[in-house]
Amino acid sequence: AQKITQTQPGMFVQEKEAVTLDCTYDTSDPSYGLFWYKQPSSGEMIFLIYQGSYDQQNATEGRYSLNFQKARKSANLVISASQLGDSAMYFCAMREGGAGNMLTFGGGTRLMVKP
Amino acid sequence: EPEVTQTPSHQVTQMGQEVILRCVPISNHLYFYWYRQILGQKVEFLVSFYNNEISEKSEIFDDQFSVERPDGSNFTLKIRSTKLEDSAMYFCASSEALRRSRTRDFGPGTRLTVT
Repeated sequence: AQKITQTQPGMFVQEKEAVTLDCTYDTSDPSYGLFWYKQPSSGEMIFLIYQGSYDQQNATEGRYSLNFQKARKSANLVISASQLGDSAMYFCAMREGGAGNMLTFGGGTRLMVKP
Repeated sequence: EPEVTQTPSHQVTQMGQEVILRCVPISNHLYFYWYRQILGQKVEFLVSFYNNEISEKSEIFDDQFSVERPDGSNFTLKIRSTKLEDSAMYFCASSEALRRSRTRDFGPGTRLTVT
């Protein structure tokens, strides 16, 4: 079974609108962390936001917020007020507590922001 | 803000040749990683390194791969005899000492092309 699933291979959003990128995960470890990264066409991996499994509140970083639903094992990324520069691949990743510090990545979602 | 750096940004090599990819992690980080991303695919974990030894490795990290921290700043990935399927983007990453670090900083990547 896939540990991280991103079901949307591609998405369009209108500039200035909000968009939600889906991520579901599978783990039996009670301690884990979830990361989102942005990969623009230039190729680098840009860290966006982190959610720990024991965090009481959903993470927020500027225009990025994480809709963490632990019972559903989902950690969706919400980007508010989309900008043209948000067009990129977005990857969800998980670190499991018992598996050291390695990250397991999902297949990614390509977001395209329309002017 | 400190960042992970990687050299070279692009390396072209012939099949069967040895390559060394170099990384300078963030100076106060103690965990180091290599990941790879074959074009159009997800990011895959290769190896993690802590306290001058490999702490975890994936099944991809076979005998043709090795890692080293030759001095106090560099972290290298050596591929002994490159194959066509080693063509990928290779990312170095580092994290703080804490096992449950809330960030994971990636370098800009080295694009390896094996001909």
